[in-house]
Amino acid sequence: NLVLTQPHSVSESPGKTVTVSCTGSNTITNYVQWYQQRPGSAPTILIYEDDQRASGVPDRFSGSTDSSSNSASLTISGLKPEDEADYYCQSYDGRYHWVFGGGTKVTVL
Amino acid sequence: EVQLVETGGALIQPGGSLRLSCAASGLIVNTQYMSWVRQAPGKGLEWVSLMYSGGSRYYADSVKGRFIMSRDNSKNTLYLEMNSLRVDDTAVYYCATVTTTWPEYFQHWGQGTLVTVSS
Repeated sequence: NLVLTQPHSVSESPGKTVTVSCTGSNTITNYVQWYQQRPGSAPTILIYEDDQRASGVPDRFSGSTDSSSNSASLTISGLKPEDEADYYCQSYDGRYHWVFGGGTKVTVL
Repeated sequence: EVQLVETGGALIQPGGSLRLSCAASGLIVNTQYMSWVRQAPGKGLEWVSLMYSGGSRYYADSVKGRFIMSRDNSKNTLYLEMNSLRVDDTAVYYCATVTTTWPEYFQHWGQGTLVTVSS
């Protein structure tokens, strides 16, 4: 069973760049998606198919994968106060099960 | 515009049953892939179940054999019947549409309904 591990929290100042990692317990063979969940709200899709921004998502958000480290990353550049939220990675584990990472709280200092 | 509205959340005793509803507008549920995702208080997201447009259904190991996902085409509504409820089923339950092309991901989400399992 695929388990996706994310750091519990990351923080950075406005205008800076922050990266959230998502590491698989074994090889991530399917695409990775990223969701943003602001406090008190439902999640929204940010990135799909590893690096494709969903409609309306600013280009400050970018996704990437690194097969050598079996991981995916979400990078937020030009950090803004409204980026303060929880971020989740998600993938498919190949046996009709869909998996989320544990989530990362991004704090804008 | 796609709208998903979940209802049916309640306080229920362990061992009890509950049925959640997800009323959809802006789409036709039996042409979509649909899913339930839950979030325990202060915790992360957990996929619960998925139904393809053709009717095939899949469940997380944690709910398999206890939860049943269904739909009513005439009401354009999705359901999650939850049986033998446990304390660790306490969560906000979201319904979501799933993209019908690969990769399958959760595209539109409702606002969720809270299920609390406690004696």
